[in-house]
Amino acid sequence: GIQVEQSPPDLILQEGANSTLRCNFSDSVNNLQWFHQNPWGQLINLFYIPSGTKQNGRLSATTVATERYSLLYISSSQTTDSGVYFCAVGFNDMRFGAGTRLTVKP
Amino acid sequence: EAGVTQSPTHLIKTRGQQATLRCSPISGHTSVYWYQQALGLGLQFLLWYDEGEERNRGNFPPRFSGRQFPNYSSELNVNALELEDSALYLCASSLEDRGSRQYFGPGTRLTVT
Repeated sequence: GIQVEQSPPDLILQEGANSTLRCNFSDSVNNLQWFHQNPWGQLINLFYIPSGTKQNGRLSATTVATERYSLLYISSSQTTDSGVYFCAVGFNDMRFGAGTRLTVKP
Repeated sequence: EAGVTQSPTHLIKTRGQQATLRCSPISGHTSVYWYQQALGLGLQFLLWYDEGEERNRGNFPPRFSGRQFPNYSSELNVNALELEDSALYLCASSLEDRGSRQYFGPGTRLTVT
């Protein structure tokens, strides 16, 4: 099956810093989503982005489907951005990466 | 608009018992998905229901089963519980089975002792 790899596995930032999270996938996909899992386990859907670029406030995402990767940008990070960020590909059997654990320090 | 809801929040069972987890999708969503997030194993796809039918299942044994009701809510049953079934079980719903975002509920944390 398709492999999904995320990097870095862990990231520690000071509040206000910017960051880029990467998601590589092993085969062509037509469905890619980014999620944020808060410390209580809730998964929040950030982007549905099979291709192109989208922005939502301080967050933006870019997927280059032909090169099999997606990037999530977080600008001016806040402590509330802490948690685990997952990318996931597929439709009815969505496959998740292992996640990037982000810690934003005040 | 209410989001995806799950019950119970926590569930403690002993090995060999059965567990029943429930999920109500966002109003208007017909597809329901179940995922398991076990420590060290990441998020794994369990089951997909759409229009009352099981459409796909992940690499889990048959003792993991479920159903979808006419109102699109869903139930996950885990029979003959094993210690390694301890995990966070997440339910998600989407507007259709393809090309749309999945929205997750808060999860049910199952502990098997």
